[in-house]
Amino acid sequence: QKEVEQDPGPLSVPEGAIVSLNCTYSNSAFQYFMWYRQYSRKGPELLMYTYSSGNKEDGRFTAQVDKSSKYISLFIRDSQPSDSATYLCATPAFSGSARQLTFGSGTQLTVLP
Amino acid sequence: DGGITQSPKYLFRKEGQNVTLSCEQNLNHDAMYWYRQDPGQGLRLIYYSQIVNDFQKGDIAEGYSVSREKKESFPLTVTSAQKNPTAFYLCASRLEPTNTEAFFGQGTRLTVV
Repeated sequence: QKEVEQDPGPLSVPEGAIVSLNCTYSNSAFQYFMWYRQYSRKGPELLMYTYSSGNKEDGRFTAQVDKSSKYISLFIRDSQPSDSATYLCATPAFSGSARQLTFGSGTQLTVLP
Repeated sequence: DGGITQSPKYLFRKEGQNVTLSCEQNLNHDAMYWYRQDPGQGLRLIYYSQIVNDFQKGDIAEGYSVSREKKESFPLTVTSAQKNPTAFYLCASRLEPTNTEAFFGQGTRLTVV
């Protein structure tokens, strides 16, 4: 079982829609969760991160963690064409003696004008 | 401006050749990473380095080699032993290995011709 699983999409929505992007993780010991946004042919950039359970809001973006079901979500309100990108969830997982970022496979989002 | 610089942006390799991808950072980060990204597979860890003159294999190290002679530099060599090298390669760094946020370069697209 992969440590982080992500809905692969692709996902296509009209401008202004609410978008829900989701991941599940396997290890209940994971506590930090991140969402990265990656535009085509570019490196990923950190969008949001959360610690433990609950919600974190930043403008139109809300990150949510449900530890009981090991489920993490990113909600985008009033989606814009500029939000079209691949979204990657990530968490630090142990690899040998260090914590390495483990990524989901990414969800490609297209917001249609 | 602080950041991570990867070069070249596009690289073409003939079969049987070794090629080296450059990664330089001026963020004074201790930890550096190389990831490979293929369509639909997210980011997979090739090698990582937590301090100068030390590096560890990631999940898919076969056919790759690295060095970390300077804190700022972490070049990746794709050897002829790598059976399927065509991919998008991303270099990242973190202030320290336990830090949450990773900063990424803009990537190198390697194509075997």
